[in-house]
Amino acid sequence: DVKVTQSSRYLVKRTGEKVFLECVQDMDHENMFWYRQDPGLGLRLIYFSYDVKMKEKGDIPEGYSVSREKKERFSLILESASTNQTSMYLCASSFVFPFEAGSSYEQYFGPGTRLTVT
Amino acid sequence: GENVEQHPSTLSVQEGDSAVIKCTYSDSASNYFPWYKQELGKGPQLIIDIRSNVGEKKDQRIAVTLNKTAKHFSLHITETQPEDSAVYFCAASWGGSQGNLIFGKGTKLSVKP
Repeated sequence: DVKVTQSSRYLVKRTGEKVFLECVQDMDHENMFWYRQDPGLGLRLIYFSYDVKMKEKGDIPEGYSVSREKKERFSLILESASTNQTSMYLCASSFVFPFEAGSSYEQYFGPGTRLTVT
Repeated sequence: GENVEQHPSTLSVQEGDSAVIKCTYSDSASNYFPWYKQELGKGPQLIIDIRSNVGEKKDQRIAVTLNKTAKHFSLHITETQPEDSAVYFCAASWGGSQGNLIFGKGTKLSVKP
């Protein structure tokens, strides 16, 4: 089974702290994603990566950065945490397949990290 | 860019009844439409998906229908059970190697025993 793990289930940080959220997948997936989940807003893409050292901005990248030094690991960094970054953070990964090959583009999600910034 | 609208935001049904969740999308280039289920304390998990060259797909008690002309797709759950209680997300993608998904805002389904 595909497994995506996230370093913490719950995290409490203070305003201004630098925060690292780690995600590891064990299925050799090329694509990795970071989402933020807030009530009533659904899942919003922060950043994604389709290869080692590659990154692309999603819909809400402001205040975040990412790092992908190894294929299996994708890190989300909050350079200076703020209270409006209190949220559930979800990591996901997927294979790269040509769409014509009939792939499902299934994204496999981790259990999430609930971050509270006080 | 693509925008996905999902309705209703909450849905309560009696056990054994059917549940329908509807989504509309804006980008006619979208050609892949998955549905994810998120149980309490877990990440979302794919339950069914459909491509634009298919109008309907069924897997046991769940089915998805797609109307490309109207740009909407729906999830149908029949004979609902308490374990169907969860948050459901629809999504749309235009394909491409990254397979980026645009998600709807989610529907919280409650099945009352």
